[in-house]
This record gives sequence, structure tokens and C-alpha cells, in this order.
Amino acid sequence: QKEVEQNSGPLSVPEGAIASLNCTYSDRGSQSFFWYRQYSGKSPELIMFIYSNGDKEDGRFTAQLNKASQYVSLLIRDSQPSDSATYLCAELDTGRRALTFGSGTRLQVQP
Amino acid sequence: DVKVTQSSRYLVKRTGEKVFLECVQDMDHENMFWYRQDPGLGLRLIYFSYDVKMKEKGDIPEGYSVSREKKERFSLILESASTNQTSMYLCAVLAGGRTSYNEQFFGPGTRLTVL
Repeated sequence: QKEVEQNSGPLSVPEGAIASLNCTYSDRGSQSFFWYRQYSGKSPELIMFIYSNGDKEDGRFTAQLNKASQYVSLLIRDSQPSDSATYLCAELDTGRRALTFGSGTRLQVQP
Repeated sequence: DVKVTQSSRYLVKRTGEKVFLECVQDMDHENMFWYRQDPGLGLRLIYFSYDVKMKEKGDIPEGYSVSREKKERFSLILESASTNQTSMYLCAVLAGGRTSYNEQFFGPGTRLTVL
């Protein structure tokens, strides 16, 4: 069974700093990963998708996939208090078209 | 984007009751999913469906069943609710989004408490 591991945190960064979130995965053949943000009491919302090796940037967010080391990371530049949330890393099971989620990392951005 | 609604935001049931959780999408996407979310465990896949009357077990199907009689509606059924099924239940629909053709859109969730 596929596994996705994340540090539960909390990760605390000051406002304006770079927040770095990481996850590792077990299936060496996986290529598609998602980062979801979940505010307390709300459902997850997609913020980034990355496929295959390399970096992908979207505004203040950069996702990185390193297949050799089997880890995925999310960098948030110029962190804002509104970025305080739980960030979920998910791996796509292409056969089932379902997602396997990590347990999430809680990010706290201090004003 | 697809809109996903769930029948209840909060639900309290007693042990042994039969519980129905409903999920409705406003389009006709084929793939729908039920997850449960528990602290420290993340989201875990219970059941999913590729189309009407089609269903597949996810990673934790025990104690649950599903029904999909119409394309837009996917129901999760707890045949005899137990306290260990107290959880947040999230429905998701697979649709093309701005970032990926494999984007899953989530409903608001149902927080179920079984006493």
C-alpha cells in the first residue's frame, strides 16, 4: 500500500519568511503529487500540482519533486498569517485515480 | 469548477443506527470518492465509484457500503454505526481544474459523532 509521510508540525515561521514543507513517499513509480491547504473546520483546497521531476512555481508557491530521493516539497515565499493552515501532501494512484494523503503539516505564520 | 455538496455538516447518531451520508455534484463527472479524516491519520479512502452503479473498495471499507444510482449522487452508508466511526467524512469529485486534469474537488464535510 502506498504511503505518504509528513511531519505533523507545527512549523512556525515569522511573517515574510520562507516556509518549507516536505513529504516523502513510498512508491518509487509515482509521478503525480498534489499539495492541498486545509483551514481549521474547512475542506481541503488544491494549491499546487506537480508531475515528474523538477520545480513548479505559481505565485508565492513553489513545488519541488525529487524522484530519486522520493520526496516532495512546497515552499511558500513571503509567508502571511493567512497562510496558517494544515498542508496536505497527496500522491495520485493512477490506477484508481484516487489520492493517498499524508497526515498533514500544520503551519503557523507569526505576525 | 464543480460544486460538491454534502447533506449535513454535523450529525449525531447512536451506536447501531443505520446512517446515510449523501454527496451531490452539480455536473456529471464520473469519478467520486468518500474519505474519512481523523487527527494524525490524514484522509483515508473508504470507497470510490467510476460511474453509476459501479463501486470499488478503498483502503478502509470495513463497516461501510455505498450507493450510486444517479451520476450526480454518491451515498455512503454505515450499516450499523459504531463509536470508532466518529470522524469527519469528506466527499470528493474528480474533475479537470486549473492546475490538473486530475484535480479532486471536496465537499464541505460531515462531522459525524456516534454515541
